[in-house]
Amino acid sequence: DTEVTQTPKHLVMGMTNKKSLKCEQHMGHRAMYWYKQKAKKPPELMFVYSYEKLSINESVPSRFSPECPNSSLLNLHLHALQPEDSALYLCASSQPNGDEQYFGPGTRLTVT
Amino acid sequence: AQKVTQAQTEISVVEKEDVTLDCVYETRDTTYYLFWYKQPPSGELVFLIRRNSFDEQNEISGRYSWNFQKSTSSFNFTITASQVVDSAVYFCALSERTSGTYKYIFGTGTRLKVLA
Repeated sequence: DTEVTQTPKHLVMGMTNKKSLKCEQHMGHRAMYWYKQKAKKPPELMFVYSYEKLSINESVPSRFSPECPNSSLLNLHLHALQPEDSALYLCASSQPNGDEQYFGPGTRLTVT
Repeated sequence: AQKVTQAQTEISVVEKEDVTLDCVYETRDTTYYLFWYKQPPSGELVFLIRRNSFDEQNEISGRYSWNFQKSTSSFNFTITASQVVDSAVYFCALSERTSGTYKYIFGTGTRLKVLA
């Protein structure tokens, strides 16, 4: 099973809302990632968790707060977002050895 | 700095034509992995193939083939007898080790349109 699931598929939120994106994998992977992708651009790395510890934060604004409750779950908490944060948010997982990543279907986020 | 270049922004072919997508990379690492991913209009990135820096053997899988050449830092991808379902954005990617953790560098992508 090479499936990564993400919920919700679509999310519309106002600038004062608080919401969370969820990601789950059951492949035994110990590295999980959040990416942001704008239209016609490549995925842009936001965070990397390795063995449930945050190992890379690509200078992401604090209105994005990641959480890795266990080796299968990854959350991204959103608060006070801006319209420019509207994008496709992709979760991925892999073994922490540079091996291939498996991506979820993404959450299409619109900030109004 | 590590870098992945996909010079072809968009390619259009007619169904059944062969098409090659180019990828050139830069890295100072001696051990690295290269990947191709497909992103159809639905948005999900689909893993296609991985090559590590020690494995220059080229591979054919059905209508797909890959040509890895370390001497020219290229990792090209060919679709033989293209089909409309191959229409997607294709990303080449390189993994690099940073402070004990791997991160992935993606090229800018090549949009392939296969016309019926």
